[in-house]
Amino acid sequence: EVQVVESGGGLVQPGGSLRLCCAASGFTFSTYWMHWVRQAPGKGLVWVSRINGDETTTTYAGSVKGRFTISRDNAKNTMCLQMNSLRAEDSALYYCARGFDTNAFDIWGQGTMVTVSS
Amino acid sequence: QSVVTQPPSASGTPGQRVTISCSGSSSNIGNNYVYWYQQLPGTAPKLLIYRNNQRASGVPDRFSGSKSGTSASLAISGLRFEDEADYYCEVWDVSLDGVVFGGGTKLTVL
Repeated sequence: EVQVVESGGGLVQPGGSLRLCCAASGFTFSTYWMHWVRQAPGKGLVWVSRINGDETTTTYAGSVKGRFTISRDNAKNTMCLQMNSLRAEDSALYYCARGFDTNAFDIWGQGTMVTVSS
Repeated sequence: QSVVTQPPSASGTPGQRVTISCSGSSSNIGNNYVYWYQQLPGTAPKLLIYRNNQRASGVPDRFSGSKSGTSASLAISGLRFEDEADYYCEVWDVSLDGVVFGGGTKLTVL
């Protein structure tokens, strides 16, 4: 079965750090772009970051650039998002998604919740 | 405030046809493919339409997409109660160098 499963969410204080990861299975992970998309409670979808198959290209939304770092380990079929200098507005459900047509998303996980609060 | 605009809500009765619009600019919709997603309550989004008007695998032909200039639309015909969900358009924006989603449209089936 083709699937992605997120992990690593939790409660963190403003200014703190958190590392989210996404475990992929059922497909040739190294050939796909992978993305993070977030959704604050009751709000819409917001794209966060993407990484290509060989990790040579990474892109970030302006709101997280310089604070978040996306990476992947093709040997372990895993992608991660290192989040530093977290703010209250980063609180959201973070989805891992497989890239389709590079910049669309055809496989989504169930998400991992990040709450930034003191 | 997203650079791609959708109406916040839409509604229809069973059997009706409804359309959801998505308005952008030359930096996004005008020069790139548009994608549509359905998000049922409490679930992850699901790809419905890709490359403006292609249905994703398993999506009923009641769902159709179109694009003209800097606007796109999702049409749902033969509306069913199970279509009640949030719908999002999505496109690459060359000015922002990133993916942008519309704000989402909540579809209510009355």
